[in-house]
Amino acid sequence: DGGITQSPKYLFRKEGQNVTLSCEQNLNHDAMYWYRQDPGQGLRLIYYSQIVNDFQKGDIAEGYSVSREKKESFPLTVTSAQKNPTAFYLCASSGTGGTQPQHFGDGTRLSIL
Amino acid sequence: GENVEQHPSTLSVQEGDSAVIKCTYSDSASNYFPWYKQELGKRPQLIIDIRSNVGEKKDQRIAVTLNKTAKHFSLHITETQPEDSAVYFCAARGKLIFGQGTELSVKP
Repeated sequence: DGGITQSPKYLFRKEGQNVTLSCEQNLNHDAMYWYRQDPGQGLRLIYYSQIVNDFQKGDIAEGYSVSREKKESFPLTVTSAQKNPTAFYLCASSGTGGTQPQHFGDGTRLSIL
Repeated sequence: GENVEQHPSTLSVQEGDSAVIKCTYSDSASNYFPWYKQELGKRPQLIIDIRSNVGEKKDQRIAVTLNKTAKHFSLHITETQPEDSAVYFCAARGKLIFGQGTELSVKP
């Protein structure tokens, strides 16, 4: 699904530092999502947005923030308040409506220095 | 809250055998059930999906069945091949919730 681009592929965070993960899509999808994946675990929803300038918290939003200023872009900031940020982060997008499949990016692997 | 239970967590089969992965969901409003395949370190890829007005869907060697009354759905892979080895996730939508994943190993 080359329509979703996540960058960087690997990211390292120092203590007390905020880092921002980029997600861009050219699929003209209204909805975008951020998931966290820990080893051997499923996908947990951090934030999602169904329209520009609007977003909702998912199940594990604490320590994260997002913005949706453009339809194509949905960056995720991992703040210093997130005490265990080491994980694989996946961005996804979909059309609106409850029966539209999600398309995923290649992910960003975040590690603590 | 809503959840999706997926079983088994690991599954090992011989090449050519069939594999079945089962999921149970709690949200009765769920109306869409996708299955994703994720290879190590890569993105999840949609392999098949089913909507709540359909009981079964097949695409070559893979099929999905849905029992709305019992709130469970299953993925069936026939004639497994080594390249089927991956982690498989089910999901249920309403609010999209993923199962915990099944690591499938197909031994040649």
